[in-house]
Amino acid sequence: QQPVQSPQAVILREGEDAVINCSSSKALYSVHWYRQKHGEAPVFLMILLKGGEQKGHDKISASFNEKKQQSSLYLTASQLSYSGTYFCGTDTPGDYKLSFGAGTTVTVRA
Amino acid sequence: EAGVAQSPRYKIIEKRQSVAFWCNPISGHATLYWYQQILGQGPKLLIQFQNNGVVDDSQLPKDRFSAERLKGVDSTLKIQPAKLEDSAVYLCASSPHNREPQHFGDGTRLSIL
Repeated sequence: QQPVQSPQAVILREGEDAVINCSSSKALYSVHWYRQKHGEAPVFLMILLKGGEQKGHDKISASFNEKKQQSSLYLTASQLSYSGTYFCGTDTPGDYKLSFGAGTTVTVRA
Repeated sequence: EAGVAQSPRYKIIEKRQSVAFWCNPISGHATLYWYQQILGQGPKLLIQFQNNGVVDDSQLPKDRFSAERLKGVDSTLKIQPAKLEDSAVYLCASSPHNREPQHFGDGTRLSIL
C-alpha cells in the first residue's frame, strides 16, 4: 500500500519555507526521499532509518516519526533549483519493496 | 562513476505489438529495479532483482510482462502483447544492496497507439 503525501502541490517564492508530509498505515523500516524534475529521472535526497532521526541535504532536511509512521521533508530558504516533484518511498520490516507516494509538486518562483 | 544506462529513450508501438527495454546498472550494484511511472504518479515497482534472483515481482503483470537479469548485470524488460494502459515511462534503477539509495536511469518513454 502506497504512502500518502500532502500537500499535492505547493508554490513558493525564493527564500520561503515548506513542509511535505508522508504518512503510512503500516509500520515502516525506512523512508526514502527523491526529487524528480520534469522529464528527468528521480534523484535520491536522503534515507531515514530510525524513529525521530533527522537528516539534511543542503538546506533540505527530513524527520521520521517511527511511532506515527510519518516522515516530513523540510525545504528551508527555498531556491529556484528546489523546483520539482518530491516523492517519498517507504518499506516495511518484512518487505524490501519500496512503495512510492503520488508526489508533491514544488514550484519556486523568483 | 557511470550512471544507470537505459535504451531506447523513446518507443512508439501499436497495441498488441511487443517491445523490449534494456538496462545496464552501475558497476558493482547487486540490486536492480524496474519501475513503471504513469504520468502524474509515483514510480510503481514491477520487479526487483538481487544479483540473478528475483526479490519481488508481486506487481508484475506476468501474463504480458517478463524480465530477466543476465549474469547478474544487464537486464531486459519485455511486454508482449502491449495494451493501451502500458503507456508510461519505464525506469530502471540500481543500488549496492536491498534497502539502499537507488540510482535511476533516464527511463524509456513508451507510447502505445
